[in-house]
Amino acid sequence: QKEVEQDPGPLSVPEGAIVSLNCTYSNSAFQYFMWYRQYSRKGPELLMYTYSSGNKEDGRFTAQVDKSSKYISLFIRDSQPSDSATYLCAMSPVPGGNNRLAFGKGNQVVVIP
Amino acid sequence: NAGVTQTPKFQVLKTGQSMTLQCAQDMNHEYMSWYRQDPGMGLRLIHYSVGAGITDQGEVPNGYNVSRSTTEDFPLRLLSAAPSQTSVYFCASSYDSDREGKLFFGSGTQLSVL
Repeated sequence: QKEVEQDPGPLSVPEGAIVSLNCTYSNSAFQYFMWYRQYSRKGPELLMYTYSSGNKEDGRFTAQVDKSSKYISLFIRDSQPSDSATYLCAMSPVPGGNNRLAFGKGNQVVVIP
Repeated sequence: NAGVTQTPKFQVLKTGQSMTLQCAQDMNHEYMSWYRQDPGMGLRLIHYSVGAGITDQGEVPNGYNVSRSTTEDFPLRLLSAAPSQTSVYFCASSYDSDREGKLFFGSGTQLSVL
């Protein structure tokens, strides 16, 4: 079993819908959680960072962490065609531990105008 | 502000050939790293560096060499290319002191080994 599981999709939604993405993990040492967005033929860019259980909002994006269930989610409200991308979850056991990051496979999202 | 620059963007090699993937950053980041991204595998760390003269292995280092003689540059060398090294390669950097460890990625090098 991989440390981080993420359903690769693809996920197609109509414009304006809510997008819901999930990752599960098996290593309880993971305490710091990130979501990266990757456009086609580009490198990933950090979208959200959180380290506590509960919700964190940033505009139309909400990151949710449930450490007891080892489950994280990303919600995108009022989805736009510009949100079409691959979303990768990532997690680390230590803050700023980039050499210990574990990435999910990525989930491709297509927002249809 | 250029950020992280990778060259070349595309490369085709024959089995057994060697080459160097270039990576440069202009943000004065201490931390630099190389990942490969394969379908169904996600991003996997090849090598990383926490400063000039310091490098270490990641999850999949075999077949790759790195060195870090300056803060700005972190080249990745393929010693004898194999078809299993066909992948998209990303260089990434960050401030070592950044608690959030925000990684800045380059645009990638798509490598095909025939």
